[in-house]
Amino acid sequence: QVQLVQSGAEVKKPGSSVKVSCKASGGIFNKYAFNWVRQAPGQGLEWMGRSIPIFGTAHYVQKFQGRVTIIADESTTTVYMELSNLTFEDTAVYYCAAAYSGSLDYWGQGTLVTVSS
Amino acid sequence: DIQVTQSPSSLSASVGDRVTITCRASQSIGAFLNWYQQEPGKTPKLLIYAASTLQSGVPSRFSGSGSGTDFTLTISSLQPEDYATYYCQQSYSTPWTFGQGTKVEIK
Repeated sequence: QVQLVQSGAEVKKPGSSVKVSCKASGGIFNKYAFNWVRQAPGQGLEWMGRSIPIFGTAHYVQKFQGRVTIIADESTTTVYMELSNLTFEDTAVYYCAAAYSGSLDYWGQGTLVTVSS
Repeated sequence: DIQVTQSPSSLSASVGDRVTITCRASQSIGAFLNWYQQEPGKTPKLLIYAASTLQSGVPSRFSGSGSGTDFTLTISSLQPEDYATYYCQQSYSTPWTFGQGTKVEIK
């Protein structure tokens, strides 16, 4: 059983960056791919990308290409998602989720990122 | 990208009713289809993976079926705690994509 604990809520200005962390415990870190999914207020779920620590690779949705970076730190079993050049449309709850194969098996509690001037 | 279309977008049913939600993929995805439940204000939770396998701890009134492009989530006897939004998600190819969600309300 994997537990994922995310960092706290953030308020950011347009044009700035945000970095959200996700600390994994209770499982073998390298067994999983760590995904980021976001949910804008009142909207559905949107997959942003993932890191696969065992391969040292990351994949991103083209929509976020160039703005998002997902890094997995095996030494601290923590995954980070950094999103740059924020706009008001980036206001959302950001979830990390661990996938053993093709499903998002374990979820963090979510981190609200508010972009406000 | 593979598009995933859910229907209906919302439904209202009584306790004890059988509820069916469908998900259609824009191309064949085999059985690479998962279902999630998101209760109001809560984190999504995996219900069914690989189209028909129940996640551990999920009540047996939930079931999934289908392959290729057409999939179904069934709640055999709706309970008050099933008030939630349900999402399907394809994991056949990246980018992984979600359906738009089905909001289930209890009459």
